[in-house]
Amino acid sequence: GDSVTQMEGPVTLSEEAFLTINCTYTATGYPSLFWYVQYPGEGLQLLLKATKADDKGSNKGFEATYRKETTSFHLEKGSVQVSDSAVYFCALILNTGNQFYFGTGTSLTVIP
Amino acid sequence: KAGVTQTPRYLIKTRGQQVTLSCSPISGHRSVSWYQQTPGQGLQFLFEYFSETQRNKGNFPGRFSGRQFSNSRSEMNVSTLELGDSALYLCASSPRTDGNTIYFGEGSWLTVV
Repeated sequence: GDSVTQMEGPVTLSEEAFLTINCTYTATGYPSLFWYVQYPGEGLQLLLKATKADDKGSNKGFEATYRKETTSFHLEKGSVQVSDSAVYFCALILNTGNQFYFGTGTSLTVIP
Repeated sequence: KAGVTQTPRYLIKTRGQQVTLSCSPISGHRSVSWYQQTPGQGLQFLFEYFSETQRNKGNFPGRFSGRQFSNSRSEMNVSTLELGDSALYLCASSPRTDGNTIYFGEGSWLTVV
């Protein structure tokens, strides 16, 4: 079935460190891929997305490239800030509907 | 343009009671989906409605139900609440059903005691 597997957390980094959160997927069709972020006590905010192979999504210094050959969509940021501390969710959606399949989430804490 | 609005934001219910949560989608959006978020199970899809019709349903017991009105507002209901129903319930709206342009609300925090 369709599913997303993402790196277990929690992840703790020092400010200005490089961030990578791994995400791989299994899909029966041609999914769109997403990264969502959730700050404490809040709902989900779209961070970035990619709708087809080799697309790169980017926002606020975060990037992820849709790799069909490795079925991956790893999230990266070159220099994290304390304000990036949150839980990050990788997700896929098939273009046949609006049902998301989410990964388990990765908690990131950035310390000064 | 107003976002997805969920009410109430926080509520506490007693085991065995029922609860109704409301979601007002972004104006013009006809698709509304619901998700349950718990620490143990993560984010799980409950159901999706489009133009008052349920299009898709997740793997939840029959105690979980929903509906959508002609103005696209949606409600979900959980009957005979159990402690394990304590969760953040998220609503998402979209103008289409092609998996793009989806916006989430802030969620309703349900605590069952």
